[in-house]
Amino acid sequence: EVQLVESGGVLVQPGRSLRLSCAASGFTFDDYSMHWVRQAPGKGLEWVSGISWSGEIMGYGDSVKGRFTISRDNDKNSLYLEMSSLRTEDTALYYCARMGLAFDPWGQGTLVTVSS
Amino acid sequence: QSVLTQSPSASGTPGQRVTISCSGSSSNLGYNTVNWYQQLPGKAPKVLIYSNSQRPSGVPDRFSGSKSGTSASLAISGLQSDDEADYYCAAWDDSLNGWVFGGGTKLTVL
Repeated sequence: EVQLVESGGVLVQPGRSLRLSCAASGFTFDDYSMHWVRQAPGKGLEWVSGISWSGEIMGYGDSVKGRFTISRDNDKNSLYLEMSSLRTEDTALYYCARMGLAFDPWGQGTLVTVSS
Repeated sequence: QSVLTQSPSASGTPGQRVTISCSGSSSNLGYNTVNWYQQLPGKAPKVLIYSNSQRPSGVPDRFSGSKSGTSASLAISGLQSDDEADYYCAAWDDSLNGWVFGGGTKLTVL
C-alpha cells in the first residue's frame, strides 16, 4: 500500500525554525517528484514546494521563497521541509504528496502552529 | 486571492447533476492540463480527475472533467449525499513556475 506519513508539526514561536518530515512507503520513492501543500485553518490549498526525483530541481511558492528549503533522502525514502523565519501566516496543516500525473496520494498532514 | 477562480459554493439535490467551474489564464489552464481534487470533511484531499478528463481507478464515472481554453469544469451526475465535500482545481503555472490551486468550491447536497 502506498503511504505517506508526515511528522514534525508543533506549536512554535514567530521567527523560529522547524523541520517537517514525510516518510514514504509502498512505492519506489526515487521514481517520483515530491511536494508539500499546506492548508491554513478553514482555508484552501496552497502549494508550498516541490523537488524532483533526483533532488536536483526544487521549486517554491512565492510566500515561502527564501525561508523554506525542501530536500529528500532517497536512501531513507524521506522528504523534508526546513522552515525558518516562521510567521503567524505559516500556521497550517502541511501535507506531503507524490506527483505522478497529479498529487496522489496525500499524507494525513502535520499541523504547524506559529504563535507567541 | 487564488490564481485559479472557482465559485465558493454549489449545491444540488440527490440524483441531480452539478457542475463546478474553474477559470484561469494562458499561463496555467491555457497551456497546461487541470487536475481536480475532492476533500471530504476532516480528510486529506484525493485526486478525482487528472489530465483534464481522466479518472483514476476507483473513481466512479459519475465524475467527469473537461477543459476548453482557459476554463475547466467538473461535472458530478447522480449526486449523492457523500459527494458533499470541497472540490479544488489545480494546474501548473508557467509564469509562476509552480502549482496553483483554485480557492475551492464547497458542494452541499440538499
